[in-house]
Amino acid sequence: EAGVVQSPRYKIIEKKQPVAFWCNPISGHNTLYWYRQNLGQGPELLIRYENEEAVDDSQLPKDRFSAERLKGVDSTLKIQPAELGDSAVYLCASGRPGLAGRNEQFFGPGTRLTVL
Amino acid sequence: AQSVSQHNHHVILSEAASLELGCNYSYGGTVNLFWYVQYPGQHLQLLLKYFSGDPLVKGIKGFEAEFIKSKFSFNLRKPSVQWSDTAEYFCAVTGFQKLVFGTGTRLLVSP
Repeated sequence: EAGVVQSPRYKIIEKKQPVAFWCNPISGHNTLYWYRQNLGQGPELLIRYENEEAVDDSQLPKDRFSAERLKGVDSTLKIQPAELGDSAVYLCASGRPGLAGRNEQFFGPGTRLTVL
Repeated sequence: AQSVSQHNHHVILSEAASLELGCNYSYGGTVNLFWYVQYPGQHLQLLLKYFSGDPLVKGIKGFEAEFIKSKFSFNLRKPSVQWSDTAEYFCAVTGFQKLVFGTGTRLLVSP
């Protein structure tokens, strides 16, 4: 089966510019996650979707970050405006619904964002 | 809230050496535990997982991990590493739905 697809793979922007990331999850996976991975750290959850509903966005910096998953499939994550500290790898993952916390997450290759 | 500690940030081994990577977690409820691996240039993938039952879990590529509840640990082991095991390894825990990762351990296996 095809894996999680993300684009772009790399993005370099100047601070204060907007940027958007796109994710296409594995077919049939209702749950979609966005993570941010800073250098030397593990991924940290930004937002989790169940179908088109954002069920956990407690870690999403809502002043500048937004996300959507309008039809319950593809998702976009946007930053506007970007700050130097936003430089990181943004990972998308998807999974099937299952017993709480037991569902395996399948990760995409990530988008490496550099803010200059 | 759950948290995960990986104490070894960098590990260097020669081929055929044995491996043990430490992972400790803190969470008050029932936990589900995972080890993910990221090979150079590739994305994160699952090595193994523990939900319940036998605390010794076997994963892909000869890896195993042991859940020791009294020590809040889930250490990853492999009896004989290969050059191809060079990667970054992440321990992770879920309480309810939310997957929390450790900071990762970079393993370098020299031929």
